[in-house]
Amino acid sequence: QLQLQESGPGLVKPSETLSLTCTVSGGSISSSSYYWGWIRQPPGKGLEWIGSIYYSGSTYYNPSLKSRVTISVDTSKNQFSLKLSSVTAADTAVYYCARDDYGGFDIWGQGTMVTVSS
Amino acid sequence: AIRMTQSPSSLSASTGDRVTITCRASQGISSYLAWYQQKPGKAPKLLIYAASTLQSGVPSRFSGSGSGTDFTLTISCLQSEDFATYYCQQYYSYPPYSFGQGTKLEIK
Repeated sequence: QLQLQESGPGLVKPSETLSLTCTVSGGSISSSSYYWGWIRQPPGKGLEWIGSIYYSGSTYYNPSLKSRVTISVDTSKNQFSLKLSSVTAADTAVYYCARDDYGGFDIWGQGTMVTVSS
Repeated sequence: AIRMTQSPSSLSASTGDRVTITCRASQGISSYLAWYQQKPGKAPKLLIYAASTLQSGVPSRFSGSGSGTDFTLTISCLQSEDFATYYCQQYYSYPPYSFGQGTKLEIK
């Protein structure tokens, strides 16, 4: 049973870089059938797709965040990671990683809350 | 970017009711639409993809229809566990994938 688990700091200072990792277990991130994505949800609000990555390293990002986002993959560790730079309070959200089945996100991590505050 | 608009934003219903949630895309997206259910404090769960295909393990009381710009999610006989927030998402034109703002289904 494929599972995803987010990890990383729950508190980030304004102007710094948010860094999260998603560990995939019960299956290989190198599957040719899937991308792997990040989605976030500010408290009490809706879902926003951040970006997705293929095991080869091919990425696509939300244009609204593209200048600040980097998603990378480490197939040896079965992990993919998110870096979001120059964060502000508006980046406070629950961050989810999910398997991207060419558009539909069919398996999700439990989510991790990240607060941007000094 | 394609804008997804759901209606209503909230809905009150009773167990056993039939409910319909609508999602409209700002431009045609063929059938590249997914529906998710989210309960408080939990990750979203994929219910339907390709506008009308039920994800494995999802009860048959859930159904989806539509193509182009107008889509619906129908729950035929509400159960207590169905009270949640529902989101639509397009994956026709990306980046970015875009979600609707959500519809909160509450107990009447």
